[in-house]
Amino acid sequence: VQLVESGGGLVQPGGSLRLSCAASGFMFRSYWMSWVRQAPGKGLEWVANIKEDGSEINYVDSVKGRFTISRDNAKNSLYLQMNTLRGEGTALYYCVRNRRGTHDSWGQGTLVTVSS
Amino acid sequence: DIQMTQSPSTLSASVGDRVTITCRASQNINVWLAWYQQKPGKAPKLLIYDASRLESGVPSRFSGSGSGTEFTLTSSSLQPDDFATYYCQQYNTSWTFGPGTKVEIK
Repeated sequence: VQLVESGGGLVQPGGSLRLSCAASGFMFRSYWMSWVRQAPGKGLEWVANIKEDGSEINYVDSVKGRFTISRDNAKNSLYLQMNTLRGEGTALYYCVRNRRGTHDSWGQGTLVTVSS
Repeated sequence: DIQMTQSPSTLSASVGDRVTITCRASQNINVWLAWYQQKPGKAPKLLIYDASRLESGVPSRFSGSGSGTEFTLTSSSLQPDDFATYYCQQYNTSWTFGPGTKVEIK
């Protein structure tokens, strides 16, 4: 299993960023997928997840209306569109494979820094 | 929302010690609890799922127990590779992580 995130970087408050995750080594279309973030020196926070076929999506309350998770099973890819970013959005964002509610495989993360 | 707490927040131990970390949920989560290990600069690693099931490849010195609102993660004999931060996570209703327990060398 390999999960490789990209798209992180420095963005101003109120700005947007789109994260991508390239999956390989497993049948991507058969798994729920998630984004989990970790602010510098802090704990883990589940952000969003998406069902195998994209028909069900969930978000943590703090990002509802601003973040959009999506997937392209033909490209074995997961995405996170982040709009109206705030300072608390500064974090390492992990792409994570789900298995029955748990997070069993993690990428190495992509760093998002929200700062002026 | 279900809140997760862990105790202690930091644990100082020696190689060979038996160590136990406790995780509590603010409401009944049955057995829908996982434990993760995270080392500095690395992604978390799944250790235990469904409260007590050992993930494939995880050393048998790790064990998990509990149900309802109180859970424990135990290492029967702490090894040098076990010094890390441990997180619990519930998946009964939405998904919530605990604040973490750092296991450091005494």
